[in-house]
Amino acid sequence: KNQVEQSPQSLIILEGKNCTLQCNYTVSPFSNLRWYKQDTGRGPVSLTIMTFSENTKSNGRYTATLDADTKQSSLHITASQLSDSASYICVVRGFGNEKLTFGTGTRLTIIP
Amino acid sequence: GAGVSQSPSNKVTEKGKDVELRCDPISGHTALYWYRQSLGQGLEFLIYFQGNSAPDKSGLPSDRFSAERTGGSVSTLTIQRTQQEDSAVYLCASSPGLAGFSYEQYFGPGTRLTVT
Repeated sequence: KNQVEQSPQSLIILEGKNCTLQCNYTVSPFSNLRWYKQDTGRGPVSLTIMTFSENTKSNGRYTATLDADTKQSSLHITASQLSDSASYICVVRGFGNEKLTFGTGTRLTIIP
Repeated sequence: GAGVSQSPSNKVTEKGKDVELRCDPISGHTALYWYRQSLGQGLEFLIYFQGNSAPDKSGLPSDRFSAERTGGSVSTLTIQRTQQEDSAVYLCASSPGLAGFSYEQYFGPGTRLTVT
């Protein structure tokens, strides 16, 4: 069964600090992996997409990494801001027209 | 431009009542998806519409759930005889692609359903 596991479940850090969120998946064969940011009361918004051949991709202060061999991805947030407080969801798509597999998310809280 | 919109934003209903949730996708998007997000759970796929093709209903949890998409645009998710376990946030998403789940999905804000 395809699974996506995220850790930690929740995280609280001080404004200005860095943090890294983890995503492990079992989806195979693999097509791509997206990180979404979901603000409270809003729908998820895509931050970045990683395909099989990509190791690192940045979007401003967000940097995603992918190790397709170990089936692991991480999302690193640099110089955190209060507006980064949200849930971060890892979503994996298998090769072919397979449905997406969603992780349960990491709830990140930035405190001043 | 306008994103995906959903209504109502919040719905409280009594157990046993029927509810209808509405989704307006981004104009021109051919694919529309419904998901359910329960507390502490990942998004659960419910149903997928692609153009004029028959919808993929494989995620609907029971025959109390149904959805339709009129004119290839607006979609309505109907839950009959609601149960307390139906309480969740129901998210709608749309995407421009013709290849199912290949493209980025743009999500609406969701409808929070509470069954008392």
